Amino acid sequence: AQSVSQHNHHVILSEAASLELGCNYSYGGTVNLFWYVQYPGQHLQLLLKYFSGDPLVKGIKGFEAEFIKSKFSFNLRKPSVQWSDTAEYFCAVITSGGYQKVTFGTGTKLQVIP
Amino acid sequence: GAVVSQHPSWVICKSGTSVKIECRSLDFQATTMFWYRQFPKQSLMLMATSNEGSKATYEQGVEKDKFLINHASLTLSTLTVTSAHPEDSSFYICSAYKRGMSSYEQYFGPGTRLTVT
Repeated sequence: AQSVSQHNHHVILSEAASLELGCNYSYGGTVNLFWYVQYPGQHLQLLLKYFSGDPLVKGIKGFEAEFIKSKFSFNLRKPSVQWSDTAEYFCAVITSGGYQKVTFGTGTKLQVIP
Repeated sequence: GAVVSQHPSWVICKSGTSVKIECRSLDFQATTMFWYRQFPKQSLMLMATSNEGSKATYEQGVEKDKFLINHASLTLSTLTVTSAHPEDSSFYICSAYKRGMSSYEQYFGPGTRLTVT
């Protein structure tokens, strides 16, 4: 079965700092990769996704992620964070074929200090 | 985007009673809906996959007699927590699957916080 690990549980950054959140998955086959964001008091929203093609994907609000197949990684990046980026970020994997069953990472809580 | 709602958003019940949570896709038809459970400071754990018109598929370790799922229409799935106990207190989230043109996407509901006293 696939698994997803996010090594950073809680990240604190000052505004304008650069962000990189790690995500590694374990699955030998084809995967579809996602980053979701959950703002305080709100529901999960899709930030970006990778299915195929260019391994560098751009999402909403200036976020991007790079799929590195050899490292089984899909790290999330943003060059300059804002206070409004304070949220919890979840990496997720769907394996190709069958039901669209999502496996989530444990999440990373990002706190941006003004 | 697509909208998924959940009702109620927050419920408190006494131990031994049953609670029903609704998940609705408001502007699209969802052939498949998923139910997740999120414990504090932990990830979302998939409980079951609900397909319209058929029995739900439960993940290992999830008691199907305790967590009853009904997906009676293309826009509604319900999760009933039967004979609730304090350890069932959690945040329950549903998502609905919408088949897109070139990708698959899930849309999440806002969640329901269940507190069992």
